[in-house]
Amino acid sequence: ETGVTQSPTHLIKTRGQQVTLRCSSQSGHNTVSWYQQALGQGPQFIFQYYREEENGRGNFPPRFSGLQFPNYSSELNVNALELDDSALYLCASSLIPGRKNNEQFFGPGTRLTVL
Amino acid sequence: AQKVTQAQTEISVVEKEDVTLDCVYETRDTTYYLFWYKQPPSGELVFLIRRNSFDEQNEISGRYSWNFQKSTSSFNFTITASQVVDSAVYFCALRPLGTSGSRLTFGEGTQLTVNP
Repeated sequence: ETGVTQSPTHLIKTRGQQVTLRCSSQSGHNTVSWYQQALGQGPQFIFQYYREEENGRGNFPPRFSGLQFPNYSSELNVNALELDDSALYLCASSLIPGRKNNEQFFGPGTRLTVL
Repeated sequence: AQKVTQAQTEISVVEKEDVTLDCVYETRDTTYYLFWYKQPPSGELVFLIRRNSFDEQNEISGRYSWNFQKSTSSFNFTITASQVVDSAVYFCALRPLGTSGSRLTFGEGTQLTVNP
């Protein structure tokens, strides 16, 4: 186990609703990255938080937003849910971005289903 | 822009066979890292290996070995004497070195099934 935890494990929402996913990083890690993995595809980078600020963003619309707290845990918020938002959402924690040995350790993910 | 291609969508082998998973990448960066991750049915991505772009020495870890060839932009992964527990989806990923973030670009994955 990596020490990265995510909640909830599974979630079912309907179109138009809002959802919040949570992630606790591995002890000592101050950077959290979020990825979306649609069924049968590789994970796609959503954004990264470092020291409570967004530090890089992938090709996702503004209705995907996030937060990082002083204890380095993080939230991913998605507004106005669409059917295509159904996916496994993975959180990864790591040390300072850009450093050489900066492995990302992944949590077990949250499976979101939008009906 | 980065791109990682895993042309093999699914591979099925019989236990004890050797199997190679292919990975080809594209990047304009001169220094970067390459990774392999394993994703069992539980969904968690398990880190297997990181390789620096400036170190082309192949690596072996138990039944696992990796062949990095910068000239062909490939980073292939071989499992020797496969076991049923090796069944999973395997992802190859790329990360440039020294950028402000640490985003990983993943391939589409290869589903490996090892049959008893």
